[in-house]
Amino acid sequence: AQSVTQLGSHVSVSEGALVLLRCNYSSSVPPYLFWYVQYPNQGLQLLLKYTTGATLVKGINGFEAEFKKSETSFHLTKPSAHMSDAAEYFCAVSDKGNTPLVFGKGTRLSVIA
Amino acid sequence: ETGVTQSPTHLIKTRGQQVTLRCSSQSGHNTVSWYQQALGQGPQFIFQYYREEENGRGNFPPRFSGLQFPNYSSELNVNALELDDSALYLCASSLDTLREQFFGPGTRLTVL
Repeated sequence: AQSVTQLGSHVSVSEGALVLLRCNYSSSVPPYLFWYVQYPNQGLQLLLKYTTGATLVKGINGFEAEFKKSETSFHLTKPSAHMSDAAEYFCAVSDKGNTPLVFGKGTRLSVIA
Repeated sequence: ETGVTQSPTHLIKTRGQQVTLRCSSQSGHNTVSWYQQALGQGPQFIFQYYREEENGRGNFPPRFSGLQFPNYSSELNVNALELDDSALYLCASSLDTLREQFFGPGTRLTVL
């Protein structure tokens, strides 16, 4: 069975600082990996995804993530945090293309001015 | 292009009642997936419908049932509501079962 572990339920960074949100997964087959963002009272928006090929994936809003098979990790980073990045972030894994998605519990990102 | 829409936005029910949640998929999408997101948790897969047939189900009891219509809109029905059913219910549509899912804003269900 697949699973996702997001380390840190809450991460707080200063505006302009590096954002690092951690995600580790377990999967018995080559995984498809995703990061979603959820703003208050809204649905999920796809930030980026890894399917095959290049292990460094660039997404929207300046975010990127690197697939490291040896570490079973898919950490999300952004060089410089902006106030508008404050939201809940979810890492997800799938072994069948895009569905069904197995999500982590989420990490709430706070950005301090 | 209209995105995924869900109705109602909020809903309050009492234990034992039944509820129907609705989802309109994005234009051209024939696959709809439903997820339950409890407070402080990540979304959990309930089931998926592809071309009006159930195409996979998560670990949810039979009182969670669904339907997909010829226009690919979908309903989620929950019978005999329990307090633990209180959650945000998310619907996602995709071009097919292997393509990116686009999520709606969700329906917040509160069971008292």
